[in-house]
Amino acid sequence: GAGVSQSPRYKVAKRGQDVALRCDPISGHVSLFWYQQALGQGPEFLTYFQNEAQLDKSGLPSDRFFAERPEGSVSTLKIQRTQQEDSAVYLCASSLGGNRISGNTIYFGEGSWLTVV
Amino acid sequence: AQSVSQHNHHVILSEAASLELGCNYSYGGTVNLFWYVQYPGQHLQLLLKYFSGDPLVKGIKGFEAEFIKSKFSFNLRKPSVQWSDTAEYFCAVRGGAGKSTFGDGTTLTVKP
Repeated sequence: GAGVSQSPRYKVAKRGQDVALRCDPISGHVSLFWYQQALGQGPEFLTYFQNEAQLDKSGLPSDRFFAERPEGSVSTLKIQRTQQEDSAVYLCASSLGGNRISGNTIYFGEGSWLTVV
Repeated sequence: AQSVSQHNHHVILSEAASLELGCNYSYGGTVNLFWYVQYPGQHLQLLLKYFSGDPLVKGIKGFEAEFIKSKFSFNLRKPSVQWSDTAEYFCAVRGGAGKSTFGDGTTLTVKP
C-alpha cells in the first residue's frame, strides 16, 4: 500500500481483556517499529523488527506485551490482560533499511487508539 | 542510552511571527536527527532530517533546522509562521540499533 496501515483505528477494551493490534508496513520495508504514545507525551519505543527477526524488545513494558512479524511483513502487537495504564495510541512505523544507521526515513501509521475501561 | 529534551512545552505565536523550537539530545555516537509534525487528528509526518553534511537542513513547508554538534542541539526554525502550522512538533534522535527516541513534543498554536 501507499503508507503504513494500522487496524483497528480505535479499540475499547474491558480491563483484563486481550487485544491484538495489526500493522501493515509499506511494501518492501525491512524495518518495523512499534511505539506507544500516551496523551501529552512523545512516542515511546516498544520493539523493533528487521524482517521477521525481533532485534530489540527492550521497550516492552511487561511480559503482557508481545509482538510478532512471522513472515517479515505484517506485524501484530498483542496485549494480554489489559490494564488501564495501557490506554494509549500504539504507533507502527516502517523504514526501508536495516539496523545500521542507514539514513532511511521512518514512516508512521495513523495509530491504534486503545482505551481500557 | 539516547535521550531528547524539548524545552518548550507550549508555544503561542501570532501569524507572521518567527519560530524557534529548542531540541537537545544526548547520545555518545553518530546520530541521525529528525523533526516530525503531528497535525490534529493526523499521523506523524517527517518535517526534516539530518544525517550528515551541511548542518543547516531545509525541510518541507519552509521549516529548517540547524545541527550544532558542540551544543548537542537541533533547533527547528521558521521565519514566518502561518495559522496552518498549528500542530505538535516532535524532535527525535536515532542512534544505533534502529530505534528512534522522541522528545515529549511542543504544541504550537498560531493565532490568526
